[in-house]
Amino acid sequence: AQSVTQLDSQVPVFEEAPVELRCNYSSSVSVYLFWYVQYPNQGLQLLLKYLSGSTLVKGINGFEAEFNKSQTSFHLRKPSVHISDTAEYFCAVLISGGYQKVTFGIGTKLQVIP
Amino acid sequence: GAGVSQSPSNKVTEKGKDVELRCDPISGHTALYWYRQSLGQGLEFLIYFQGNSAPDKSGLPSDRFSAERTGGSVSTLTIQRTQQEDSAVYLCASSPNRAPGYTFGSGTRLTVV
Repeated sequence: AQSVTQLDSQVPVFEEAPVELRCNYSSSVSVYLFWYVQYPNQGLQLLLKYLSGSTLVKGINGFEAEFNKSQTSFHLRKPSVHISDTAEYFCAVLISGGYQKVTFGIGTKLQVIP
Repeated sequence: GAGVSQSPSNKVTEKGKDVELRCDPISGHTALYWYRQSLGQGLEFLIYFQGNSAPDKSGLPSDRFSAERTGGSVSTLTIQRTQQEDSAVYLCASSPNRAPGYTFGSGTRLTVV
């Protein structure tokens, strides 16, 4: 079975600074990878996804992530964060070609400090 | 509809009462999922519906939990004899057939007092 590890439960960062949210996955087969964002009192919104092809994936709101198969990682990055990026971020994995039960990480709370 | 709709958005219930949570998926999405989000626990898979196939109920935490999906569209998650540990945000998501990635609803925040 696949699993996802988000190494940081909380990440504080100053406004306009870069940020990296870490995600590692475990699977014996090829996977699809996702990052979701959850703003306070809202549902989850898809930020970006890796299905195949280029390992650098660009998403909404200036975020990007890089799939690294050898390190089984899919870290999320943004070069300059805004206050509005304060939210919880979830990494998720789905076995490619399988049915749709996505496995989520425990989430990372990004706190942008003015 | 344009998105996944969940109702109610908030529900406060007394311990021991039954509750029903509703999810209206995106029109045409054949797959529907329920997840539970508890404080500090991430997202816990509950149940999955795909078209007319038998649902995957492997994530339901106890026999007090059940779900149905009528006509391949709207789904209802029922919790019987609610307990305080059932307090959580219940999230519904849908996706097109065999297309990776979900669209989530805004969730129902359930508080059992």
